[in-house]
Amino acid sequence: AQSVTQLGSHVSVSEGALVLLRCNYSSSVPPYLFWYVQYPNQGLQLLLKYTSAATLVKGINGFEAEFKKSETSFHLTKPSAHMSDAAEYFCAVSDFGSGNTPLVFGKGTRLSVIA
Amino acid sequence: GAVVSQHPSRVICKSGTSVKIECRSLDFQATTMFWYRQFPKKSLMLMATSNEGSKATYEQGVEKDKFLINHASLTLSTLTVTSAHPEDSSFYICSARDLAESSYNEQFFGPGTRLTVL
Repeated sequence: AQSVTQLGSHVSVSEGALVLLRCNYSSSVPPYLFWYVQYPNQGLQLLLKYTSAATLVKGINGFEAEFKKSETSFHLTKPSAHMSDAAEYFCAVSDFGSGNTPLVFGKGTRLSVIA
Repeated sequence: GAVVSQHPSRVICKSGTSVKIECRSLDFQATTMFWYRQFPKKSLMLMATSNEGSKATYEQGVEKDKFLINHASLTLSTLTVTSAHPEDSSFYICSARDLAESSYNEQFFGPGTRLTVL
């Protein structure tokens, strides 16, 4: 079964600093990979997704992620953190398959941005 | 596009009552919808997979008779928490897959429903 590991339940960065949120997946076959962001008391918003078209994926709000098969990783980065980036971030994975195939979520990483 | 709504956004009820939560795909058709439960500062826990016109598939440990799911149309799924108790208090989130764009298994999420059982 697929699994996702997000290293660090809480990451704190200064405003303007690099954001790096780590995600590793377990699969021998490259799956579909997603990063979602959740603001307090809200649902999840898709930041970006990897679907095998390109290893470097650009998303919304200046975020991007790079798929590295050799490292089974899909880390999320942003060059310069903004205060508005403070939120919970979830990495998720899905196998190929039918529409019933669920997403498997990591435990989430809470990003704090310090002024 | 790809907007999912949930209603209500917040509900407070007395112990023993039943609460219905609606999940709607507003601008697309969804044969599959998913229901998640999220505890404070925790990740999403998949409760069940809902398919239009058929019985929902529940995850292990989720009580079918407690959490009734109905997916009567391509745009609406409902979750009814029956005889709610304080331990059912949680944030419930639904998601849906676009029938026409399901090739990447992307899910679109609703804004969530905060249930508080007194």
